[in-house]
Amino acid sequence: EIVLTQSPGTLSVSPGKRATLSCRASQSVGASLAWYQQKPGQAPRLLFYGESTRATGIPARFSGSGSGTEFTLTISSLQSEDFALYYCQQYDSWPWTFGQGTKVEIK
Amino acid sequence: QEQLVESGGGLVKPGGSLRLSCAASGFRFSDFFMSWIRQAPGKGPEWVSYISIGSTSIYYADSVKGRFTISRDNAKNSLYLQMSSLRAEDTAVYYCARSMGFADFWGQGTRVTVSS
Repeated sequence: EIVLTQSPGTLSVSPGKRATLSCRASQSVGASLAWYQQKPGQAPRLLFYGESTRATGIPARFSGSGSGTEFTLTISSLQSEDFALYYCQQYDSWPWTFGQGTKVEIK
Repeated sequence: QEQLVESGGGLVKPGGSLRLSCAASGFRFSDFFMSWIRQAPGKGPEWVSYISIGSTSIYYADSVKGRFTISRDNAKNSLYLQMSSLRAEDTAVYYCARSMGFADFWGQGTRVTVSS
């Protein structure tokens, strides 16, 4: 099973500032990695899939990069609605697995 | 408008059974692979099971293999999860999701609590 490790566990950022979230895979997943955002009481929402394909309706301030074992999600200028939990997920091999999450909170 | 609506969750005793359903609308259900994904309280999501369009490919997480059965009825635009021999660690919100490896659309979830 491929283990995904996200860092940091919690990221405290001021509104308008940049946030950089990392996801490391225990073995290469190629470009088969997705990012999700989850707010309290809601289902996760897909942000990115593949190497850096933005899902429908996701603002341009979100960007994804990486391949192999190292991936990054960047939010260029945090808005109030961006404070949430973020998960990475690999779909290179079954079982598809999620990271443990990074919480982005208001500083 | 695309919708996935789960139902069938509830409180069940350890060793009991439950059948979850997911009704799809607003998109061509028979064109998509589907999945069940669960999330225990305070934890990250866990992919439970996945089923191909024609039900020819089915995968289960090791944690549920032999106890859960996924199925679909394309004529009824519905996805199902039959759960048996339930354990306390199966307690979670269960989401139905449209998936192609990643899950691009999720239902609102149905809560399953396994407790005596």
